[in-house]
Amino acid sequence: KQEVTQIPAALSVPEGENLVLNCSFTDSAIYNLQWFRQDPGKGLTSLLLIQSSQREQTSGRLNASLDKSSGRSTLYIAASQPGDSATYLCAVNTRSGTYKYIFGTGTRLKVLA
Amino acid sequence: SAVISQKPSRDICQRGTSLTIQCQVDSQVTMMFWYRQQPGQSLTLIATANQGSEATYESGFVIDKFPISRPNLTFSTLTVSNMSPEDSSIYLCSVEELAGVETQYFGPGTRLLVL
Repeated sequence: KQEVTQIPAALSVPEGENLVLNCSFTDSAIYNLQWFRQDPGKGLTSLLLIQSSQREQTSGRLNASLDKSSGRSTLYIAASQPGDSATYLCAVNTRSGTYKYIFGTGTRLKVLA
Repeated sequence: SAVISQKPSRDICQRGTSLTIQCQVDSQVTMMFWYRQQPGQSLTLIATANQGSEATYESGFVIDKFPISRPNLTFSTLTVSNMSPEDSSIYLCSVEELAGVETQYFGPGTRLLVL
C-alpha cells in the first residue's frame, strides 16, 4: 500500500531564505508526482508535475526533483517571500488500475517578513 | 488549464440531513474525482466519478453514504447523506487533463460543518 510522508510538518523561516521541503513514498512504482499549494480555506493550486521518467522540473523560484528509486522528492523554494506562506502537499499517481492520487501529510510553511 | 467551480462554497447542516455539492468544469474532461479533507488532515480520495456509469469508490466509502452523479463531461455532484458531525470536512472536486501533460486541477472546495 502506497504511503506518502512529508517532512517537516511545519516550517517557519525568515524572508529571503532558500528552503527544501521533503516528500517520501513507499512504493517506487509511480506514474508521476505533483506538488500543490493550499492556502487557508481554499482549494489546491498545482505547482509542478514530474513524470516518472524525469529527474526535475522548474518553475520560477521553484524546483522539484524526483528520485524514484529511493522514493523521494524535494521541493526547493529560492529566496522565500511572505506570499509563499501556505501548506505544500505532494501527491503521487500510482496508476495501478485507476487514476489515483495519494496525498502526503503536508508541510505548513510560514515565511516571516 | 481547466477552471472548476463548486457550489455551495460552504454550508452548516443539521445531523441526519443530506447535502448535494455541485462541481462544474469549463471544459470537457475525462476524469473527475471527489476528495475529502478532514480538519488538520490531508486529502483522501472518495471516488472517481465516471460519465455514464456508476462511480468507483475507494475503500471505506460507499455509494449509500456518498452517492455521485456524472451526467456529462463537465458536471458532477456528490451527496453527503444522513450527515453526522464526523462528516464535517472540506469536499473537493478535481479533474485530470489529458491534453499534453497530465495535470490534476482542483476546485475551491466546499466547507461543510455538521452540527
